[in-house]
Amino acid sequence: GAGVSQSPRYKVAKRGQDVALRCDPISGHVSLFWYQQALGQGPEFLTYFQNEAQLDKSGLPSDRFFAERPEGSVSTLKIQRTQQEDSAVYLCASSTYGQGYQPQHFGDGTRLSIL
Amino acid sequence: SQQGEEDPQALSIQEGENATMNCSYKTSINNLQWYRQNSGRGLVHLILIRSNEREKHSGRLRVTLDTSKKSSSLLITASRAADTASYFCATDAGANSKLTFGKGITLSVRP
Repeated sequence: GAGVSQSPRYKVAKRGQDVALRCDPISGHVSLFWYQQALGQGPEFLTYFQNEAQLDKSGLPSDRFFAERPEGSVSTLKIQRTQQEDSAVYLCASSTYGQGYQPQHFGDGTRLSIL
Repeated sequence: SQQGEEDPQALSIQEGENATMNCSYKTSINNLQWYRQNSGRGLVHLILIRSNEREKHSGRLRVTLDTSKKSSSLLITASRAADTASYFCATDAGANSKLTFGKGITLSVRP
């Protein structure tokens, strides 16, 4: 199916390492979102792209977090010098853009564990 | 930070019964959405209700919205074992359509 694809599904890293998480949105979806979901909690907004433009990064918890979407399709979320509190599921969602409100389509997420 | 608070936190019912879940939120919204999440999976959009709507139906789902009380409810009728999942309400305040989620409700439907 042509849903949102995220890779890897699981990532284990040692504290201090850098990680990169990939999101392939649904083809043609203009809007792309990243969320962080801690265990037992709801997702929390990290950042938003419209095409290649990062219009909102207010949810990024620190300057160690960086996201890009250089060609307006695939997006990468990078976390530098990982810390244990970065352990969470990172969800990507995409949606169409237009009049009215569009539902977001989520990938299955990347489960990040920092040792 | 979480915008919404769902109630109850956990709900266990028998197959065939109705399940009612409630959500309260804090700020003005453009719309409110309900999502389902199965264990280890992403979220699936269920239904959206706009701020100028009071009730909406979709199959076995019925959602209500009371903007004066800043609350919403989701009713699942004739529940099935396959409805077992976590359910989240999410508000869209219009700023780039980013969603603010509650902590979720764990629904267990016993066969």
